[in-house]
Amino acid sequence: QKEVEQDPGPLSVPEGAIVSLNCTYSNSAFQYFMWYRQYSRKGPELLMYTYSSGNKEDGRFTAQVDKSSKYISLFIRDSQPSDSATYLCAMSEGNFGNEKLTFGTGTRLTIIP
Amino acid sequence: GAVVSQHPSWVICKSGTSVKIECRSLDFQATTMFWYRQFPKQSLMLMATSNEGSKATYEQGVEKDKFLINHASLTLSTLTVTSAHPEDSSFYICSARGRDSYTDTQYFGPGTRLTVL
Repeated sequence: QKEVEQDPGPLSVPEGAIVSLNCTYSNSAFQYFMWYRQYSRKGPELLMYTYSSGNKEDGRFTAQVDKSSKYISLFIRDSQPSDSATYLCAMSEGNFGNEKLTFGTGTRLTIIP
Repeated sequence: GAVVSQHPSWVICKSGTSVKIECRSLDFQATTMFWYRQFPKQSLMLMATSNEGSKATYEQGVEKDKFLINHASLTLSTLTVTSAHPEDSSFYICSARGRDSYTDTQYFGPGTRLTVL
């Protein structure tokens, strides 16, 4: 069993729709939960991070962590074609700046104009 | 700010040759650099962690004699794939972490696509 499971998609939604991306994990020691966006042939770009359980909102993006269920989500409101990319969840046991990151496989998202 | 570059962006080489990939932090000093590998439709896997002036720490299953990492300065780390074989073909991505609060996270480079013929 992989430590982090993520549906690879692809996921296609019409512009303006709400997008829900999810990951599950098995390591209860994970404390930091991150979402990265990766465009084709580019490196990952940090979108949001949360520490422990709870919600965090940043503009059109909301990250949600449920440690009891070992489940994290990223919601994108009012989706735009520019949101089309691969979204990676990542987790770490300690401060994600200097700790090993464990990534999901990524979900490829396409927003249809 | 917090820009990380990689060179080359892509490279094709013959089996048995060695390839060097550079990772640079352009506008900050990177105390720690990380090297990841990403196979098609798979997740990024950490290969090794290097601190400036120290030997790299390799993840289990990664051959340190095959993947040589040098972190000689606070802005440059190199990964050399020695005696490359077709199974080493992959997307190699580095990340860098700085020493101040603004750069105290991992910033990723754009990646290097290696194809071994």
